[in-house]
Amino acid sequence: GEDVEQSLFLSVREGDSSVINCTYTDSSSTYLYWYKQEPGAGLQLLTYIFSNMDMKQDQRLTVLLNKKDKHLSLRIADTQTGDSAIYFCAVKRYSSASKIIFGSGTRLSIRP
Amino acid sequence: EPEVTQTPSHQVTQMGQEVILRCVPISNHLYFYWYRQILGQKVEFLVSFYNNEISEKSEIFDDQFSVERPDGSNFTLKIRSTKLEDSAMYFCASSDVGGEGYEQYFGPGTRLTVT
Repeated sequence: GEDVEQSLFLSVREGDSSVINCTYTDSSSTYLYWYKQEPGAGLQLLTYIFSNMDMKQDQRLTVLLNKKDKHLSLRIADTQTGDSAIYFCAVKRYSSASKIIFGSGTRLSIRP
Repeated sequence: EPEVTQTPSHQVTQMGQEVILRCVPISNHLYFYWYRQILGQKVEFLVSFYNNEISEKSEIFDDQFSVERPDGSNFTLKIRSTKLEDSAMYFCASSDVGGEGYEQYFGPGTRLTVT
């Protein structure tokens, strides 16, 4: 079935780059997302990429997609303390009007 | 900026009781969703709703669950007879486009605790 996997924790030093990785199983995934969840808050869409793209850059965020390996990554440049949160990788099929499949989330913590 | 709101933020109920979780989607959106996240587990899709009917539901969404859009602004999730395993964070989401859209806007969630 459809599955999205990501590592649970990542710790980086402030100012370094963070790279959060994700793998998915469904090759029909058309929309691939990164959501951010801060404590007590909802799920905020950070960025997304369509499956016909390899890379998308948006300010400090870079998303890389390797369709062959079904691997998605999110790079946050110059990581700041405000980037501390849980980051969810998620995918959606074109054929589905609705369902987003989420990974377990990666908790990013920032060291001074 | 418009946002999805949910009430209450935390609901405590006894096993076997009915609960209604409420959501106000973004006003011009047409597609509505419920997801849940059991503590320590993944966010799971429950149901989607469009044009006053369910368009897709997961196997979690059994006969104990129902959804309704009682008026032009609210979208509700009802659990008829709660079980301990229904304890979770429930997220409502909405989008203005279904099949071709890319963004679902999520609310802050309602934490449901069943005792």
